Amino acid sequence: GESVGLHLPTLSVQEGDNSIINCAYSNSASDYFIWYKQESGKGPQFIIDIRSNMDKRQGQRVTVLLNKTVKHLSLQIAATQPGDSAVYFCAETLSGGSYIPTFGRGTSLIVHP
Amino acid sequence: ETGVTQSPTHLIKTRGQQVTLRCSSQSGHNTVSWYQQALGQGPQFIFQYYREEENGRGNFPPRFSGLQFPNYSSELNVNALELDDSALYLCASRTGNQETQYFGPGTRLLVL
Repeated sequence: GESVGLHLPTLSVQEGDNSIINCAYSNSASDYFIWYKQESGKGPQFIIDIRSNMDKRQGQRVTVLLNKTVKHLSLQIAATQPGDSAVYFCAETLSGGSYIPTFGRGTSLIVHP
Repeated sequence: ETGVTQSPTHLIKTRGQQVTLRCSSQSGHNTVSWYQQALGQGPQFIFQYYREEENGRGNFPPRFSGLQFPNYSSELNVNALELDDSALYLCASRTGNQETQYFGPGTRLLVL
């Protein structure tokens, strides 16, 4: 299940389950959104992006959904694997400018074998 | 691997000291951004350089400064270190007309 601890929100799932990580963004003018995965001791790694003219985009085992009405993003990971264990960040930005993303707080995904 | 490298990997300094962190961007990338990531938080934007000029800055004091060199590598300098400067410092590079940026592994700075 999902819980909000003292620090990072944490989502614990069993291997093979589907995972859904949620993110609320702050700027209604943002039109480009990115999900990053950060493993321990590493920098953030690009997973998937979506523009505001879309509400869904699919990649390999990942799907991003965008709801502009409520300023909400979600990342769905199908058939979650232990290697998916990491902290996941959403980021928002304005295209056509300096492309400087604002990161959310992050969610820690723990996959149990 | 992203092709973005940072040095050193870890660093310990004391309050009041100065530090220089280095970043080598991915080949062909002319834009470098620096971020500070405190434990349990998302990366916070410090500043961005495009072709050796700063073209964006976050909410950080002037004691955080940077440089970008003709080969597009970059430095982050922090003067008068404070305990709260302890964090992971990340750099990310991209081409000027693309949105996707690639992060290095970061430098872990501890200020005692």
